[in-house]
Amino acid sequence: DAKTTQPPSMDCAEGRAANLPCNHSTISGNEYVYWYRQIHSQGPQYIIHGLKNNETNEMASLIITEDRKSSTLILPHATLRDTAVYYCIVCYGGATNKLIFGTGTLLAVQP
Amino acid sequence: SAVISQKPSRDICQRGTSLTIQCQVDSQVTMMFWYRQQPGQSLTLIATANQGSEATYESGFVIDKFPISRPNLTFSTLTVSNMSPEDSSIYLCSVEELAGGFGTDTQYFGPGTRLTVL
Repeated sequence: DAKTTQPPSMDCAEGRAANLPCNHSTISGNEYVYWYRQIHSQGPQYIIHGLKNNETNEMASLIITEDRKSSTLILPHATLRDTAVYYCIVCYGGATNKLIFGTGTLLAVQP
Repeated sequence: SAVISQKPSRDICQRGTSLTIQCQVDSQVTMMFWYRQQPGQSLTLIATANQGSEATYESGFVIDKFPISRPNLTFSTLTVSNMSPEDSSIYLCSVEELAGGFGTDTQYFGPGTRLTVL
C-alpha cells in the first residue's frame, strides 16, 4: 500500500502558485520523498525529490516539514500544461528504489 | 536524464494471443522496471528486470503470464501472455539513473504502451 495521503483533486488559477500537500506520517529516517506527475496517460514525469531539506529545481519547489511527516510541492506559476495527476511517493533511494504509487492529486489549472 | 522509448506505442489484440513490448534506453542502466496501469487506476509495479538473471516479480504477478527478458544494460522486453480483456492497460517501463556521488537514484519512465484486448 502507498505510504502517502493526498487530496484527490485541487484547482488552481493559471499564473498562480499551486501548492500540493502530501502526508507521510510513517516515513522512516532514510526514506526520500519523490514527486512525479502524469499528464493524461503519458508516462510519469519526475519532478523533484528530497530527504529533509527543502529543494528547488527548474520545475518546482519541495517543502518538507521539520518532523518529515508531511510535505508540499509548489509550482510557482501554474500553466494549463501543468494540469496532471501529481503523485507523492516515499521510498528508499538506491537499488531498492521501488516506487509505490498511490492515487495522487488531480490538479486542474483553470484559465 | 535517460531517453526511453517503447514499442509498440499501442496495440489492439485478440484474447488468447501474446504481445511483446520492447523498452530501449539510450544509456546503460542497472535497474529497469515494468509497471501496469489499468484504466482509471494508478501504476502498479509488475517486476524488476535484472540483467543477466531472472526478473523479480511483485506479489500477484507471475513469470508465466508476464515473462521478461533483459539481455543487456539498455534493453528489456515484457510479454503479456494468453491475453484476456482484463489485461487491457497501459504498460510502462522505467529505468533507474544512478545519482553518482551524493544524492539518490531517480527513476524515469518511458511513454507507455496502450494495450486493448478484445
